[in-house]
Amino acid sequence: NAGVMQNPRHLVRRRGQEARLRCSPMKGHSHVYWYRQLPEEGLKFMVYLQKENIIDESGMPKERFSAEFPKEGPSILRIQQVVRGDSAAYFCASSRSSDTQYFGPGTRLTVL
Amino acid sequence: GENVEQHPSTLSVQEGDSAVIKCTYSDSASNYFPWYKQELGKRPQLIIDIRSNVGEKKDQRIAVTLNKTAKHFSLHITETQPEDSAVYFCAAASPNFGNEKLTFGTGTRLTIIP
Repeated sequence: NAGVMQNPRHLVRRRGQEARLRCSPMKGHSHVYWYRQLPEEGLKFMVYLQKENIIDESGMPKERFSAEFPKEGPSILRIQQVVRGDSAAYFCASSRSSDTQYFGPGTRLTVL
Repeated sequence: GENVEQHPSTLSVQEGDSAVIKCTYSDSASNYFPWYKQELGKRPQLIIDIRSNVGEKKDQRIAVTLNKTAKHFSLHITETQPEDSAVYFCAAASPNFGNEKLTFGTGTRLTIIP
């Protein structure tokens, strides 16, 4: 029973490039959440999606960030024109419904 | 929105002693309170959770208590072991803000001294 999968685990980008982070939820889970964790800090909610729908994006920066969860394939968090302040660990979580969230291993983004 | 405060930020206890971490929340409608353990460089792992219809839940050496009147919940770890060393995060979810959205505390770095 595979858990939540994220790739890549580490991603290095130069300022101005795009970053694409992928998340495959646990089998049977249709709810996906993205959180950001800065060094030595807690996790901050970014966005909550169900298949083909963004349910709550109240934690997403208004510009450069977008997320999707298509009918087929993983959920993707996309950051355009990355800046140094985007460097962080990005965690995806999934759940079956309004239920316990299980986290993936995270993607550590470094912006040079 | 919901605001969760967590104390202490760091905690050191002798192996075998108990550790207590406390959190408060602001939204009286919050009804789900999970605790996550995060080891260095690893994913947050759920260790226990409690819903607002109960006041206490226990799982072996770990217990969580909830006081809805005071908007306060605590994690208790008894007979601590070196492998308990990690950062622990509390969280709260409220139907007022979409019940699925977890608001996390700032974390407690727990160190178990052998």
